[in-house]
Amino acid sequence: EIVLTQSPGTLSLSPGERATLSCRASQSVSSSYLAWYQQKPGQAPRLLIYGASSRATGIPDRFSGSGSGTDFTLTISRLEPEDFAVYYCQQYGSSPRSFGQGTKLEIK
Amino acid sequence: EVQLVQSGAEVKKPGESLKISCKGSGYSFTSYWIGWVRQMPGKGLEWMGIIYPGDSDTRYSPSFQGQVTISADKSISTAYLQWSSLKASDTAMYYCARREVTMTRGAFDIWGQGTMVTVSS
Repeated sequence: EIVLTQSPGTLSLSPGERATLSCRASQSVSSSYLAWYQQKPGQAPRLLIYGASSRATGIPDRFSGSGSGTDFTLTISRLEPEDFAVYYCQQYGSSPRSFGQGTKLEIK
Repeated sequence: EVQLVQSGAEVKKPGESLKISCKGSGYSFTSYWIGWVRQMPGKGLEWMGIIYPGDSDTRYSPSFQGQVTISADKSISTAYLQWSSLKASDTAMYYCARREVTMTRGAFDIWGQGTMVTVSS
């Protein structure tokens, strides 16, 4: 099973700043089958990024994903107030599929 | 509109059985896998298993194999997650989600609103 480790656990930033979230896999994620999801309190997760770097439909271009192999990054170029949430990475190239433990992005 | 609508919150006692549902609409239900994801209170997401309603092919995470049963009734575009004997540790929010293959090659692109299951004596 591929274990995904996200860092940091909590990231405290201000609106307008740049956020960089990391997701590291215990084994190589095949063909960049890596997704990022955003979850706000009381809501279901929402797909942001798939295939490591492709934005899902309707996702603003301030969100970008990069990486391959075992190291992946989600970058939010300029934080908006609505971006403060918990972010999860997920690998879907190997069974069983797995999620990271999440990074909470909070307002500083 | 493509959507997954889940059944309502449940409060059960340990040892009781339960079946929760996830109804798809706005797309061809039999052409997409449906997955189930657990989120325990204050915790992260856990991938439980997945079913292809077209032929009921089902896969489970080793962590959930034997603990739950995933099924589907394609005639009513509904997937299910069931327990035969609930434990207090099954208390969690459960989400269903559609696995999209054509564009994302397998990410969960549509999510249900979640079903909260509380197990308490």
